[in-house]
Amino acid sequence: KAGVTQTPRYLIKTRGQQVTLSCSPISGHRSVSWYQQTPGQGLQFLFEYFSETQRNKGNFPGRFSGRQFSNSRSEMNVSTLELGDSALYLCASSAGLAGRNSYNEQFFGPGTRLTVL
Amino acid sequence: AQSVTQLGSHVSVSEGALVLLRCNYSSSVPPYLFWYVQYPNQGLQLLLKYTTGATLVKGINGFEAEFKKSETSFHLTKPSAHMSDAAEYFCAVSDRGTSGTYKYIFGTGTRLKVLA
Repeated sequence: KAGVTQTPRYLIKTRGQQVTLSCSPISGHRSVSWYQQTPGQGLQFLFEYFSETQRNKGNFPGRFSGRQFSNSRSEMNVSTLELGDSALYLCASSAGLAGRNSYNEQFFGPGTRLTVL
Repeated sequence: AQSVTQLGSHVSVSEGALVLLRCNYSSSVPPYLFWYVQYPNQGLQLLLKYTTGATLVKGINGFEAEFKKSETSFHLTKPSAHMSDAAEYFCAVSDRGTSGTYKYIFGTGTRLKVLA
């Protein structure tokens, strides 16, 4: 089974621009979660999409948005980039089952490293 | 909300020595707990997980962790460090979101250095 893929792997943008990152989950997985990883803050949860709907959301400003397509592929968009948005953006896919015992093991992609100049 | 604390952002051990990476969580209900490893320029790989049952959990690459409810801890250990263990390690706890599903809360990570 192919793993989680993320494109592009590296991006360089300037302040004020916008960027779109893409994530293709493992075949059959319906949930995609996005994380921002920085040296100072560690991994911060951005949001989760399941069946094209945002199901969970972290504490990030509205400049960060996402969507999911019918084939479960997901995109994340950051508008009006700031220097502090420089980070490794990780996506994780899981089966996304709901319920008390559904901890939903997450499988991570290699990440997209975004540098904002 | 739950939180995870990893003591020591950097840990150095000699090759062949015991590896001990500490993780404490805050939770009012029994949590699901995880350890992930991240090698340079890669995503996170699951080492092991605790969901229910036996409190001593064995994972890949010779790692294990013990869930201690009374201490709210889930420390990661390996009896003998290998050079290939050098990486960053993340402890995570699942947190039930408003949708009834679980999202992960990660610690800030511990970078393990193995000395020859």
